[in-house]
Amino acid sequence: KAGVTQTPRYLIKTRGQQVTLSCSPISGHRSVSWYQQTPGQGLQFLFEYFSETQRNKGNFPGRFSGRQFSNSRSEMNVSTLELGDSALYLCASSFYGDTEAFFGQGTRLTVV
Amino acid sequence: DQQVKQNSPSLSVQEGRISILNCDYTNSMFDYFLWYKKYPAEGPTFLISISSIKDKNEDGRFTVFLNKSAKHLSLHIVPSQPGDSAVYFCAASDNAGNMLTFGGGTRLMVKP
Repeated sequence: KAGVTQTPRYLIKTRGQQVTLSCSPISGHRSVSWYQQTPGQGLQFLFEYFSETQRNKGNFPGRFSGRQFSNSRSEMNVSTLELGDSALYLCASSFYGDTEAFFGQGTRLTVV
Repeated sequence: DQQVKQNSPSLSVQEGRISILNCDYTNSMFDYFLWYKKYPAEGPTFLISISSIKDKNEDGRFTVFLNKSAKHLSLHIVPSQPGDSAVYFCAASDNAGNMLTFGGGTRLMVKP
């Protein structure tokens, strides 16, 4: 059974640009969550989608957005990139959001 | 305000001995707790979880203990192996999984 797949693995962007990250959950999982990991703030929850609807949102500015498609795949978008957005972005999936979440390998975003 | 805290940033243990990793939380609404293991530049790997209706859960070498009155949980690894060397995160949720609050992590080093 394939795990959670995130693409791309590495990304370098310039300040002011926007970026889209992709996440394919484990087959059958309908809940997809996104997290940001930085050395200073640790692992922080961004948002969670279930059946194409955002169910929960963390404390991040509106520049961070996401969506989920009918096949449960999810994308997150960051607009007007800032240097502080450099981080490891992690996606996690679970069946309904009521069981253990399994993480992908992450996308390392570097903003220069 | 850190709702989940891992007060020991690092822990060193001899191979074969017990590793005990601790985690404290402040939010009494948390009812589901998880432990993850993480290597650099990879996503967290789920280890074990516990619901607030239990005080102990075992899975092979891993046992998680929950003390609700003290708002404290711990992960015991017995016996510890060099391959267990990684950063361990505890996480908590108030709705069984889809929005996790993470502690800052404890780096475990198991010496051969």
